[in-house]
Amino acid sequence: EIVLTQSPGTLSLSPGERATLSCRASQSVSSSYLAWYQQKPGQAPRLLIYGASSRATGIPDRFSGSGSGTDFTLTISRLEPEDFAVYYCQQYGSSPRGFTFGPGTKVDIK
Amino acid sequence: EVQLVESGGGLVQPGRSLRLSCAASGFTFDDYAMHWVRQAPGKGLEWVSGISWNSGSIGYADSVKGRFTISRDNAKNSLYLQMNSLRAEDTALYYCAKDKGLRFLEWLLDYWGQGTLVTVSS
Repeated sequence: EIVLTQSPGTLSLSPGERATLSCRASQSVSSSYLAWYQQKPGQAPRLLIYGASSRATGIPDRFSGSGSGTDFTLTISRLEPEDFAVYYCQQYGSSPRGFTFGPGTKVDIK
Repeated sequence: EVQLVESGGGLVQPGRSLRLSCAASGFTFDDYAMHWVRQAPGKGLEWVSGISWNSGSIGYADSVKGRFTISRDNAKNSLYLQMNSLRAEDTALYYCAKDKGLRFLEWLLDYWGQGTLVTVSS
């Protein structure tokens, strides 16, 4: 089972700043099957990025994903007020045994 | 517009059972795998179970294996989760989610419902 670690646990930034979130896997993620989700308080998660770098439908281009192997990054180029949320990474497509999420990174207002 | 609406949550005593339902609309339900994901209060996301478009492939998290059963009724555009022998640690908001893969299990969740709360307590 692949274990995902996210850092930092909390990121305190101001609107307009750049956010860089990290997700590290305990073993290589095949074919870059790595996704990112955003969850705002009281809301369901929303798919942001899949395939490590492809934006999901309707996701603004200030969100970008990169990485391969065991190290992945989600970057928010300029934080908007609605971007303050918790972000989870997830590996997928690897086996019929299911999948796990990372523990999450909370981006809050400084 | 894709819509997923969960129901069936509530307060239940330890050891009892509960059945969750998810009504799907806005897409061709029988073309996509579906999943249940839960979130304990103040905690992260935990995948619970997934089922392929034709029910031919099913998976469970180790934490629920042998106690929970996922099923679907494609004629009714509905997904279910039968939860037996419930424990306090099963207390969570349970989300229904659609798999992105067309007629295969991609294990990638592109639409989520708003969740139904299950509380296991005496």
